[in-house]
This record gives sequence, C-alpha cells and structure tokens, in this order.
Amino acid sequence: SVLTQPPSASGTPGQRVTISCSGSTSNIGNYHVYWYQQLPGTAPKLLIYRDSQRPTGVPDRFSGSKSGTSASLAISGLRPEDEAHYFCGSWDDSLTAPWVFGGGTKLTVL
Amino acid sequence: QVHLQESGPGLLKPSETLSLSCTVSGDSIRVYYWGWIRQPPGKGLEWIAYFYYSGTTFYNPSLKSRVTMSVDTSRDQFSLKLDSVTAADAAVYYCATGAASPFDYWGQGTQLTVSS
Repeated sequence: SVLTQPPSASGTPGQRVTISCSGSTSNIGNYHVYWYQQLPGTAPKLLIYRDSQRPTGVPDRFSGSKSGTSASLAISGLRPEDEAHYFCGSWDDSLTAPWVFGGGTKLTVL
Repeated sequence: QVHLQESGPGLLKPSETLSLSCTVSGDSIRVYYWGWIRQPPGKGLEWIAYFYYSGTTFYNPSLKSRVTMSVDTSRDQFSLKLDSVTAADAAVYYCATGAASPFDYWGQGTQLTVSS
C-alpha cells in the first residue's frame, strides 16, 4: 500500500492507543487524511475526515492528527467494542491514482 | 442519514462481466463524489473508481482497462462494470458517496464469488 500502517495494535480497556499512517509529500504531506473503522463483518465507516474532523455521532474518544507526511488516529478510553480494523486514506498527487488507502491496522482490545 | 444499497449477481464464472448498481437514499445531502471500493477476503481496501460531480471519472490504474463507471445523479443511482473477471476479482464490493471525499458514506457491500 502507498500509505503504511502497522498491521496490528492492541490495548486494554481504558487505555489510549494510537495508530499511525505514514505517507509522503505526494499524499499526506499535502492532502487531508481520512480514517475508517471496520467492525467485524460490517462495512467500513468514516471515523475521521480532513485530518481531525469527526462526523456526527463519532465519539470524541476518537481523534485524528497529522504532522508532515504522517498521520495518527488516537483512541482514548479504549472499549471492547473498539476492536476493529482501521484504515487510513488520502488524496494523492498522482494523476492516474489520485486516492490511496493504507493497508489497515487490526486493533485488539485485550 | 444516507443509505446506500448495492446489488450484484453474487456468483460469476471466469471471463464474465460483473455488473453492479448502487442506489442512494435517505437524507438529502449535497455530495460531490460517487465511488466503488472492493475488499478481497481477509485483505484491505482497494478503490476501484470514483466520479466527481464536475464530470470526471477516476479509475484505479490496476483495473482501468476493465472497468467502467457510470452515474445518474438525478436518480441517485450509479453503476460499475468489470470485464473478464477472474478468481482474483472475488471480493466484497462497496459503493460509497461523499462530500469531503468519495468514501464518506458506504453501502453494506455485495459479495462476489468467481467460480466455474
């Protein structure tokens, strides 16, 4: 994947965990980052848009940030129901492939 | 809330053409993008194509030679055709739409199995 995410992350209930998404100046460095949550057996859902904005209904336990060519998703007060796959996405300079996804991170709540 | 519903054949033989459609309903919100994404079993997301309201369609280079996307914004419907499917095209196919990005709102997905 053009955007690099760790394949897995874990935490215990109540903890704060972060998931990274690394790109380049062709994508994250110059464009907004989006985060998606995919609960088991369901479709992905937009979690964060334009780097740090939460859609209506997304708890403020979820937050996004960006610095240079990397972005992070932070989940505070971790809950068992947060166990899911998380994907990042961004626009890209490429005229032929103007959108890129990360490979996804499986978050396990221990 | 915006609701998207995909429809597709479920099962195709190798070399056949996949035809998918997506219907958007629910709250009337302004969107600028309509898109398709797929997810092979146990794997990540792959965007297939998306349409921008200005009239431009973008295709993933890895699929561009086999894919055609069309959008009827007046009827809140859009479709995807993928030619000459193989086992590698087996996946869950999602349609999506959005204002900030092509993938703000997602359908529940439709499974494609390719088998002779």
